[in-house]
Amino acid sequence: AQSVTQPDIHITVSEGASLELRCNYSYGATPYLFWYVQSPGQGLQLLLKYFSGDTLVQGIKGFEAEFKRSQSSFNLRKPSVHWSDAAEYFCAVGTGNQFYFGTGTSLTVIP
Amino acid sequence: DADVTQTPRNRITKTGKRIMLECSQTKGHDRMYWYRQDPGLGLRLIYYSFDVKDINKGEISDGYSVSRQAQAKFSLSLESAIPNQTALYFCATSAGQGYAGELFFGEGSRLTVL
Repeated sequence: AQSVTQPDIHITVSEGASLELRCNYSYGATPYLFWYVQSPGQGLQLLLKYFSGDTLVQGIKGFEAEFKRSQSSFNLRKPSVHWSDAAEYFCAVGTGNQFYFGTGTSLTVIP
Repeated sequence: DADVTQTPRNRITKTGKRIMLECSQTKGHDRMYWYRQDPGLGLRLIYYSFDVKDINKGEISDGYSVSRQAQAKFSLSLESAIPNQTALYFCATSAGQGYAGELFFGEGSRLTVL
């Protein structure tokens, strides 16, 4: 069965520090992977997606993610976090018919 | 205007009442979805529809029903609301292109059942 695991429920980082949010998936075929961000009171916005090709994908707001098939991972990174990055982040797997979401990682940014 | 519009944005109701959440989209997408978000549980799929004549249950469809009135409209109903249906509900769309389409979300409808 398909599943997505985000092992970190909550992460706190200092502004300007680097960030890595972890995502592991379970899926029998080639995965289609997404990272979404949800700001307070808002819907979900796509940060980036991986379908095929280069395993390092660039997204909006300076985010990137790397697909590692051997580790079944799709971790999200940002080299320098801004206060406006405080939000909830969701990893998702697309199977063609459905999308499966992780439980989310809440990011707090401290000055 | 938003591409995916949900109404109402907030609703407080009582146990046993019938509630309808409406979703309309201007993206021209065939596929529409209803998700429920609860703290610590992420997003869970309630129902999805690939066209007007195609309705499918998701993982948590019990207690809910849907109607796809047109390509652009997909409504979620709670026939007799109960307190554990208190949640944030999202409508989403995707292009009918198999794997290639990501989801586009509305801003959510926060439902409180007392």
